[in-house]
Amino acid sequence: ETGVTQTPRHLVMGMTNKKSLKCEQHLGHNAMYWYKQSAKKPLELMFVYSLEERVENNSVPSRFSPECPNSSHLFLHLHTLQPEDSALYLCASSRLLTGGFDGYTFGSGTRLTVV
Amino acid sequence: SQKIEQNSEALNIQEGKTATLTCNYTNYSPAYLQWYRQDPGRGPVFLLLIRENEKEKRKERLKVTFDTTLKQSLFHITASQPADSATYLCALENSGGGADGLTFGKGTHLIIQP
Repeated sequence: ETGVTQTPRHLVMGMTNKKSLKCEQHLGHNAMYWYKQSAKKPLELMFVYSLEERVENNSVPSRFSPECPNSSHLFLHLHTLQPEDSALYLCASSRLLTGGFDGYTFGSGTRLTVV
Repeated sequence: SQKIEQNSEALNIQEGKTATLTCNYTNYSPAYLQWYRQDPGRGPVFLLLIRENEKEKRKERLKVTFDTTLKQSLFHITASQPADSATYLCALENSGGGADGLTFGKGTHLIIQP
């Protein structure tokens, strides 16, 4: 375990479903991130939170909705997804908003399949 | 536009030899560069960070160099082992600072053959 826990590990959902991905860290980190990783593509930054405030939204479709209720928890709410949204969704945290001291700590990811 | 390039071809190295991976970037002025290891189906694991004023950084069998003139970082694994087989990613902080998060290269798949 890295200290960043993601649930569920695998998720299969229909295009009309609503589901949520959960991320939890107890490392005392102040920043949390959602990344999407598709096959043969680099990690794509989706959302950045610092001290529970969203600081970045990389033009992500509105069918993805993040929530950060406290500094230890991050959610990604999903609704009316498309098959091309199938990917590995990774949560990460860092001690400070800039990762320039000790890098990011990633969870193991949620493998999402949209059918 | 900003770009990070890593050798997209898999790199096959004989066990015991030194593996060298390359990361080139354009339109960045990074204060530091990071390297991560990723195993299939898992999240990346942070390995090393090197700052712009550091030419070289070492950690056990790992060595990273950073040439801001060439806009290149090299990542070396000495005395390579089959357990080193993985995808290695380099990452840079975007020009907007921490608020823009890290941008990652596609990674290089390293295979260490026994």
